[in-house]
Amino acid sequence: EAQVTQNPRYLITVTGKKLTVTCSQNMNHEYMSWYRQDPGLGLRQIYYSMNVEVTDKGDVPEGYKVSRKEKRNFPLILESPSPNQTSLYFCASSLSVTSWQYFGPGTRLTVT
Amino acid sequence: GQSLEQPSEVTAVEGAIVQINCTYQTSGFYGLSWYQQHDGGAPTFLSYNALDGLEETGRFSSFLSRSDSYGYLLLQELQMKDSASYFCAVPGYSTLTFGKGTMLLVSP
Repeated sequence: EAQVTQNPRYLITVTGKKLTVTCSQNMNHEYMSWYRQDPGLGLRQIYYSMNVEVTDKGDVPEGYKVSRKEKRNFPLILESPSPNQTSLYFCASSLSVTSWQYFGPGTRLTVT
Repeated sequence: GQSLEQPSEVTAVEGAIVQINCTYQTSGFYGLSWYQQHDGGAPTFLSYNALDGLEETGRFSSFLSRSDSYGYLLLQELQMKDSASYFCAVPGYSTLTFGKGTMLLVSP
């Protein structure tokens, strides 16, 4: 089954404690992306990747890092989380630049 | 930059037809996508219009007018399960910019 998986699904952490949210896709897609969703703001792109070792900033990259060492994985790293990063995070993958059809189930992060 | 405008909320009754509009301003344009999201769930891809006109997929249709920078999602024969948020989105090169979403409330 074609899918994007994310882990963990829920996470409560404290300010400053480094964390990683994993994202993996089994469709051999080149394009992957991370979004955060906040009430009233919709989904906003954090980072995207066009292929292995090729990443770029989206609209809200501050406080986040990513890596793309393998085609299937695209982890999101918060080196020093802060309460304003409390949000719902989605990973997505796509075969083309125009048709983003596959989203992960989401990770609900709370930073206290 | 890119910006998209859509109504924040639309209400309708079961069995009715509802149209959700989206206007956009973009620096480059590939097409217009639509997504459905139930509360707290993952966005589900509904449609993508690259060319002007109407595309139909079952009860859902999507329309695009590139000259007017405008599109809409049409939902027919509404069901209670259609209550959800609907987002228009504009893909760029490796990016995807979403509107803020329209919450559709379907009542019996």
